[in-house]
Amino acid sequence: AQTVTQSQPEMSVQEAETVTLSCTYDTSESDYYLFWYKQPPSRQMILVIRQEAYKQQNATENRFSVNFQKAAKSFSLKISDSQLGDAAMYFCAYRRSSNYKLTFGKGTLLTVNP
Amino acid sequence: DAGVTQSPTHLIKTRGQQVTLRCSPKSGHDTVSWYQQALGQGPQFIFQYYEEEERQRGNFPDRFSGHQFPNYSSELNVNALLLGDSALYLCASSYRGTGSSYEQYFGPGTRLTVT
Repeated sequence: AQTVTQSQPEMSVQEAETVTLSCTYDTSESDYYLFWYKQPPSRQMILVIRQEAYKQQNATENRFSVNFQKAAKSFSLKISDSQLGDAAMYFCAYRRSSNYKLTFGKGTLLTVNP
Repeated sequence: DAGVTQSPTHLIKTRGQQVTLRCSPKSGHDTVSWYQQALGQGPQFIFQYYEEEERQRGNFPDRFSGHQFPNYSSELNVNALLLGDSALYLCASSYRGTGSSYEQYFGPGTRLTVT
């Protein structure tokens, strides 16, 4: 069974600085997707960034980028120029390409200090 | 364009009762998935509905059942509620058509408390 591990229950960063959230996963599949979701106190889960496993290039969305290491099964999220609105719970998630089920990690609570 | 909507927002039930939660998918989406998120945990997949049938199911007992209607909206039913069923229930919709990456968009959730 696929598992997703987020080893950092909590992280904090100063406003305008950079922070990296870690995620590792376990799978025997070769074709899959990886995601980072953000869940603010309002509870709505918002997709931050997506990475297809067959793509070697790391995904980037504005201030958010990933470091995807397929052989190491590692998928970290870097947030640059952190803003107060980035404060939230961040979840790493995995999905097989032929499947619809998302498997989530336990999350990392990010605090942004002014 | 309305996103995924869920009702009710909050719900309090007594152990042993039954509950029904509702979800309307994002416009243009035809697939609905349900997740249970216990406090301090990541969401756990319950099941997914497409073309009014359950297509995939997670590791949840038969007390959890669902339905999808012709307009793609969906219901999650939980029978014989246990205290451990207290959680945030999230609905996610996606489009299953050709070329889709099946990207899931989440609703705001229903907070269920079982006393």
